[in-house]
Amino acid sequence: ETGVTQSPTHLIKTRGQQVTLRCSSQSGHNTVSWYQQALGQGPQFIFQYYREEENGRGNFPPRFSGLQFPNYSSELNVNALELDDSALYLCASSNDRGQNSPLHFGNGTRLTVT
Amino acid sequence: GESVGLHLPTLSVQEGDNSIINCAYSNSASDYFIWYKQESGKGPQFIIDIRSNMDKRQGQRVTVLLNKTVKHLSLQIAATQPGDSAVYFCAENRGNSGYSTLTFGKGTMLLVSP
Repeated sequence: ETGVTQSPTHLIKTRGQQVTLRCSSQSGHNTVSWYQQALGQGPQFIFQYYREEENGRGNFPPRFSGLQFPNYSSELNVNALELDDSALYLCASSNDRGQNSPLHFGNGTRLTVT
Repeated sequence: GESVGLHLPTLSVQEGDNSIINCAYSNSASDYFIWYKQESGKGPQFIIDIRSNMDKRQGQRVTVLLNKTVKHLSLQIAATQPGDSAVYFCAENRGNSGYSTLTFGKGTMLLVSP
């Protein structure tokens, strides 16, 4: 069974740039959720994708967007990067929109905005 | 790897001791609770879960207790080992219409001395 994989592992961007982060879900999982984890904090929900559509969203601005593909992999896009976007971005997969099973996380992408 | 445990509550134990990590949750409507372990440089790793219709659940060396009256969760680790050193998060699953989100607590760093 292949776990959740994310790429890249680390990324440095400049304020105002755009970034795309990628995630492959665990085999057999149809739901992908993205979380942002600031240093010393717990992860915060960004949004969830199910059947290639955004299925729920946390308190993040529209410049955070995503996609899910037919193979259930997903991308997180962030436009107009701000310094406060520096964080660990975590992807998690599950089945059935995570309502009856735990989320399985990847090791994240560490984004630094300078 | 970078630390995820800056300024977190810390529990220091000796190898072989039993550890108890506590967590208060906020939403009385939450019906599913999960404990995650996060090692430095990695994503959260599922440990054990419990549904709101249960008070206790046991796994291998771990036990989760749920007190819905006071909205309190605890994670007990038996015979703690140095490999258990990590940050531990409790998460409550809030089932919204059509999707669920995990709301994480602040985390507790567990340090196990040999």
